[in-house]
Amino acid sequence: DAMVIQNPRYQVTQFGKPVTLSCSQTLNHNVMYWYQQKSSQAPKLLFHYYDKDFNNEADTPDNFQSRRPNTSFCFLDIRSPGLGDAAMYLCATSSTSGEVLDEQFFGPGTRLTVL
Amino acid sequence: DQQVKQNSPSLSVQEGRISILNCDYTNSMFDYFLWYKKYPAEGPTFLISISSIKDKNEDGRFTVFLNKSAKHLSLHIVPSQPGDSAVYFCAAGSGAGSYQLTFGKGTKLSVIP
Repeated sequence: DAMVIQNPRYQVTQFGKPVTLSCSQTLNHNVMYWYQQKSSQAPKLLFHYYDKDFNNEADTPDNFQSRRPNTSFCFLDIRSPGLGDAAMYLCATSSTSGEVLDEQFFGPGTRLTVL
Repeated sequence: DQQVKQNSPSLSVQEGRISILNCDYTNSMFDYFLWYKKYPAEGPTFLISISSIKDKNEDGRFTVFLNKSAKHLSLHIVPSQPGDSAVYFCAAGSGAGSYQLTFGKGTKLSVIP
């Protein structure tokens, strides 16, 4: 089945130790998104790629970076995780081949713990 | 400042009855609205959507109503089933060249057998 895969599902890191979360998709969608979701909060968009074009949200901290080496893969790098970065990180994809704003397909998320 | 608000964090409904989940928005540029359903340990999955040219969209047991003048939408589930127990997120976007969605905080629905 076509899907959005996130690895790992659970990630524990130490305060200040860089961490990378990965996302892959078999849907061949041209748009990929990274969201941060804290407990009982709305998913918050960090950035998205439209093809290779990177679009950063204005309030996304510089501590968060992203790479998209090809259509299928997207990475979220947290350069120096703080305790406040502990959250669920959701990857999503969508296609612009149909309606301008199409539904987004989400991965299962990676829960990040910062010790 | 929340542009999409789901003011009820939780809702309990008896099996077989109607579940009504509400969502309000403040940005008049939003013209496309979606509902997502999320089970524990899974990502949100798309449920139903509505564009601003419509005031109702129906898919099986799920119906979304949009009241543009009130900037309000609601999701009706009839009849509710125990498997509908999940967190429901309302999301909104502007179709004009944007591919971004703004989400509400979610409402946890519990359907009691």
